[in-house]
Amino acid sequence: GAVVSQHPSWVICKSGTSVKIECRSLDFQATTMFWYRQFPKQSLMLMATSNEGSKATYEQGVEKDKFLINHASLTLSTLTVTSAHPEDSSFYICSVADRGLATGELFFGEGSRLTVL
Amino acid sequence: DAKTTQPNSMESNEEEPVHLPCNHSTISGTDYIHWYRQLPSQGPEYVIHGLTSNVNNRMASLAIAEDRKSSTLILHRATLRDAAVYYCILRAAGGATNKLIFGTGTLLAVQP
Repeated sequence: GAVVSQHPSWVICKSGTSVKIECRSLDFQATTMFWYRQFPKQSLMLMATSNEGSKATYEQGVEKDKFLINHASLTLSTLTVTSAHPEDSSFYICSVADRGLATGELFFGEGSRLTVL
Repeated sequence: DAKTTQPNSMESNEEEPVHLPCNHSTISGTDYIHWYRQLPSQGPEYVIHGLTSNVNNRMASLAIAEDRKSSTLILHRATLRDAAVYYCILRAAGGATNKLIFGTGTLLAVQP
């Protein structure tokens, strides 16, 4: 069964609105979650590392005020795309690692497809 | 982060074995070699990982060169459902907090 669940699977919104995407770890507590973005026919690009109880760490070039990440519990991280514009349309994917696994296999959500009109 | 190099695309026929190569000449001693695959419109899926020895699981086999500078993912009998982008990634040990950086991967096409 699924280890990581994302919601919603897809969302369409108007330009200027904000959209929240949830990522839930179903099988274990995740102190760290990762958020990726993927444009069509491209690879996954890491956006940020979400840390439970503290601020997220953003990759270079990713605007932290644009992509708000909240990791308030050990099973839930949220990504909010604020004032979305058409160029933010993308496939957003979260992943978690079971901290009990030293070799660090990552589990990925199903992805959330955002379309901004 | 140590980088990996993979062919952009490969083709295979159904029921035949597939060998997907990956070069990682700058791998460090603590890096595990991970393989993930991504089917269209889905999140990536873990395939296999290893450190030094060859590994087998129900999905695939991983052959690691003796100097660890390259590895090969082996699908023993390709099926149409194996058509996906396959990513070879290095990840440091001990790292639930260690991020995973994806390269461009290999797009595998499987012909019936």
